[in-house]
Order: sequence, then C-alpha cells, then structure tokens
Amino acid sequence: GNSVTQMEGPVTLSEEAFLTINCTYTATGYPSLFWYVQYPGEGLQLLLKATKADDKGSNKGFEATYRKETTSFHLEKGSVQVSDSAVYFCALSQNTPLVFGKGTRLSVIA
Amino acid sequence: ETGVTQTPRHLVMGMTNKKSLKCEQHLGHNAMYWYKQSAKKPLELMFVYSLEERVENNSVPSRFSPECPNSSHLFLHLHTLQPEDSALYLCASSQEKAGVGEQYFGPGTRLTVT
Repeated sequence: GNSVTQMEGPVTLSEEAFLTINCTYTATGYPSLFWYVQYPGEGLQLLLKATKADDKGSNKGFEATYRKETTSFHLEKGSVQVSDSAVYFCALSQNTPLVFGKGTRLSVIA
Repeated sequence: ETGVTQTPRHLVMGMTNKKSLKCEQHLGHNAMYWYKQSAKKPLELMFVYSLEERVENNSVPSRFSPECPNSSHLFLHLHTLQPEDSALYLCASSQEKAGVGEQYFGPGTRLTVT
C-alpha cells in the first residue's frame, strides 16, 4: 500500500538557518503530495502541495518539489524563524484519504 | 464561523461516562473525517464520510460511534472509553469525494479519560 516516510525529529535550528525536512513516498502511479503544519495546540494546516511530477509547491517561504525519479518531496526554507516552530507532516493522496508521515518536530531558537 | 470548528476543545471524562464530540464545517465540502492523534504515534484515520455515507471504518473499537446527519456536521459519540483513548481527536473535511484533494482540519478536541 501507499506510505510516506519522513525524517525523524526533533530538529533544532537557530533563527535564519536553512531548513530541510526529508520526505519520501511509496505509491504506484502519480499521487498528489502535501505538506501540513501543526502549531502547538492547533489542528493541521495545509502548507503546500504538488499534484504532478516536477511541480513545485510554495507558501510562506517554504518550498517542496515533486521528484518522481527519487519519489521525494523534501520541504525546504532558506531562513527559518522562531514562529516556524511546529510539527510538519508529509502526506500523499491517490484516490484514498490522505496517508501521513509520522511528523517532524521543528524547534527554532533565537 | 469559518473553516472547520470542533467542540469542545477540551474534555475530561471517566470511563463510565458518555459524551459526544462535535465537528462543523463551513466550507461546503462533501466529505468529513475523524482522526486520532496520540503522542509519539502517527495520525490514525478513524472514520470517513462521503456525502453523509460512511465509506471507511478503520477497525475502530465500537466504543467510538460516528454520526453524520448532514454534510456540514459530524459527531463522534463516546462511551465506556479506556485511558489509552486519551488523545487529540481531529476532524477534517474535503471538497471532493473522500480521498481526492487536500483536507482542512479543525483545531481538535483534547480528550482525557480518567
């Protein structure tokens, strides 16, 4: 079945550091790919998405590119802020409800 | 109200109590979902409703009983829960039939079973 694997956390970075959170997936065909973010005490919010190979999703300075050849959808941000501290979830959908990774906790310190 | 709302935000209940969680979506969506989020475990999909019909039930114990009276409202009825049922319960909705496109989540109900 479909699955998503993302890097184990927690990830701790200093403000203005570069962020990468790795995500790889297993699926047949071409699923849609998503990154969700969960801030403390809140539900999940859609951060960005990509629906076909080579698409780049972007939002709030975050980016991720759908790489079919490496079955990856890594999340990147050039300069993180303390307000980016949250749990990030990679997910896929292929005519099924979303399949989520386990989440990666990011802590950004000033 | 906008988006997906859930009430109550926090709930403490004993193992013999009966309570209900409520979810309402104000987005005109056709599908609604219940998830369980426990510490250090992946998100668990519990139930899926599409056009008010239950289309998925992922081996959830019968002490959890969902109800979807219309496309905007979703309930989760709880009875004789166990301490291990303590978790954050998240509701979500999506525009398309269940499983297509992104989902929009509510803030969750933090449930503690004593």
